[in-house]
Amino acid sequence: EAGVVQSPRYKIIEKKQPVAFWCNPISGHNTLYWYLQNLGQGPELLIRYENEEAVDDSQLPKDRFSAERLKGVDSTLKIQPAELGDSAVYLCASSLTGTGVGEQFFGPGTRLTVL
Amino acid sequence: ELKVEQNPLFLSMQEGKNYTIYCNYSTTSDRLYWYRQDPGKSLESLFVLLSNGAVKQEGRLMASLDTKARLSTLHITAAVHDLSATYFCAVDMDSSYKLIFGSGTRLLVRP
Repeated sequence: EAGVVQSPRYKIIEKKQPVAFWCNPISGHNTLYWYLQNLGQGPELLIRYENEEAVDDSQLPKDRFSAERLKGVDSTLKIQPAELGDSAVYLCASSLTGTGVGEQFFGPGTRLTVL
Repeated sequence: ELKVEQNPLFLSMQEGKNYTIYCNYSTTSDRLYWYRQDPGKSLESLFVLLSNGAVKQEGRLMASLDTKARLSTLHITAAVHDLSATYFCAVDMDSSYKLIFGSGTRLLVRP
């Protein structure tokens, strides 16, 4: 079974430029998450989707970050414009909720460097 | 606000020794997860603990959950070098599938 796929794996941009990350969850998983992980810290949730609906985006900085999950499968996270402090690893995860377990499976992440 | 604290944050231990990593959290939760992360890699799910008294074991690792004490432990038995990694616990906030992660415990197993 294929895991969570993310691209690109690495991205280097200059500040004020836009950037986008793509995620393809595990087949059949209805819930998709975007996390931000700073060096030496645990992941922090940015947004959670159940199918096409964003059910928790309270931690998403909406002035510069946006996300979408068209057709309830793939998702894109965008930053515009990027700031130096956005340098981090952006992780996508998916799970099958409603079963009571809620185990989240993580992708390899996109390491973003903003210069 | 739910807070998750792990200790120690860094652990250097010799091969063959035993040790325990602790995960404390501040509010009621019945779901706790342990993940492993190797440098530059993503998170790998180790254990899912879903009720008070739950105990799971895989190889040299054993995890347990005490929801009354709001405490989970990850016990390492006879450590080997391959266990060197960072270990995170994560607590499900209000059974909402929103995970709050601890800061991680960086484990280094020395020959």
